[in-house]
Amino acid sequence: GNSVTQMEGPVTLSEEAFLTINCTYTATGYPSLFWYVQYPGEGLQLLLKATKADDKGSNKGFEATYRKETTSFHLEKGSVQVSDSAVYFCALITGNQFYFGTGTSLTVIP
Amino acid sequence: DSGVTQTPKHLITATGQRVTLRCSPRSGDLSVYWYQQSLDQGLQFLIQYYNGEERAKGNILERFSAQQFPDLHSELNLSSLELGDSALYFCASSVGVQDSYNEQFFGPGTRLTVL
Repeated sequence: GNSVTQMEGPVTLSEEAFLTINCTYTATGYPSLFWYVQYPGEGLQLLLKATKADDKGSNKGFEATYRKETTSFHLEKGSVQVSDSAVYFCALITGNQFYFGTGTSLTVIP
Repeated sequence: DSGVTQTPKHLITATGQRVTLRCSPRSGDLSVYWYQQSLDQGLQFLIQYYNGEERAKGNILERFSAQQFPDLHSELNLSSLELGDSALYFCASSVGVQDSYNEQFFGPGTRLTVL
């Protein structure tokens, strides 16, 4: 079946550190892949997306590349800020069905 | 502010009861999605409506039902409530039906507590 697996949290980093949150998926067909971010007390917001293999999504300094060969869509940012503290969800859509990972909590300390 | 509104913000009820959650999509959006977020199961897609018609179904229990009205607002009905139904319920909306290309905008959620 279809599923998304992302690295367990919580993740704690110092400001300006490099961030990687791993995400791998299992899907039939040709899924589109997303990263959503949830700030405390708010709903999810789309962070970036990629709709086909080798596409790179990017936004606000975050990047993720759709790797079909490794079925991965890892989220990276070169220098995190305190304001990046949130929960990050990897997700896919295939055949009109949506699947989310369990979320990874990130805390960035000054 | 995403433009998606959900009411109520909080709901506390007892087992066996029935509740209705309401969602108003962003102006111009035709698709509405419902999600359940719980600690043990994460974020689960429940159901999608597009312009009044059911479009896609996820892990929605038979005790739950939804509809989208002509003015495009949507309601999620939860009946015969159980303790395990306690969760945060999100509504999201998007412009169209080709969801790979249309961003979903999430509301702030309704926190349901079943006692």
